[in-house]
Amino acid sequence: GNSVTQMEGPVTLSEEAFLTINCTYTATGYPSLFWYVQYPGEGLQLLLKATKADDKGSNKGFEATYRKETTSFHLEKGSVQVSDSAVYFCALSKGRGGSEKLVFGKGTKLTVNP
Amino acid sequence: DSGVTQTPKHLITATGQRVTLRCSPRSGDLSVYWYQQSLDQGLQFLIQYYNGEERAKGNILERFSAQQFPDLHSELNLSSLELGDSALYFCASSPRTNTGELFFGEGSRLTVL
Repeated sequence: GNSVTQMEGPVTLSEEAFLTINCTYTATGYPSLFWYVQYPGEGLQLLLKATKADDKGSNKGFEATYRKETTSFHLEKGSVQVSDSAVYFCALSKGRGGSEKLVFGKGTKLTVNP
Repeated sequence: DSGVTQTPKHLITATGQRVTLRCSPRSGDLSVYWYQQSLDQGLQFLIQYYNGEERAKGNILERFSAQQFPDLHSELNLSSLELGDSALYFCASSPRTNTGELFFGEGSRLTVL
């Protein structure tokens, strides 16, 4: 079945450090890929997405590129801020039969220290 | 604010009891999804409704049931509760199919004692 594997956390960085959170997926065909972020005490919100191979999603300084050859969608940010502290979820959607249910990875908790 | 409203935010109950969680989707959204988030299982898809009809089913236990009403709000019913049902239950909505972009509520935290 479809699945997402992302790097185990927690990840702790200093402000202005470079961030990479690895995500790989298993799916038949061509899924859409997403990164969602969950700030403390809040629900998940979409951070960025890519719908086909070689697409790059970007938002708020975060980027991820859909790599079909390596089945990966790694999240990167060049300079993290304290406000980026959150849990990040990689997800995929196949949208079969009108269902766009998302399959999530287990989440990676990021803490950024000043 | 995502526009998705969930009530109650917190709920404490005992084993064997039954609870109902409520979700109001964003205005105009036709799809509602329920997810369970626990420390050991992560985010698990439970069920999806689209305009009142069940569209997809995930890892939802037989003790759990859901429905979507004509006004598009949804309820998740959890019965014969067990300690392991303690979790954060999220509702999400989406206006169209096949986009994967969901808008999540803040969740209902259920504690079973």
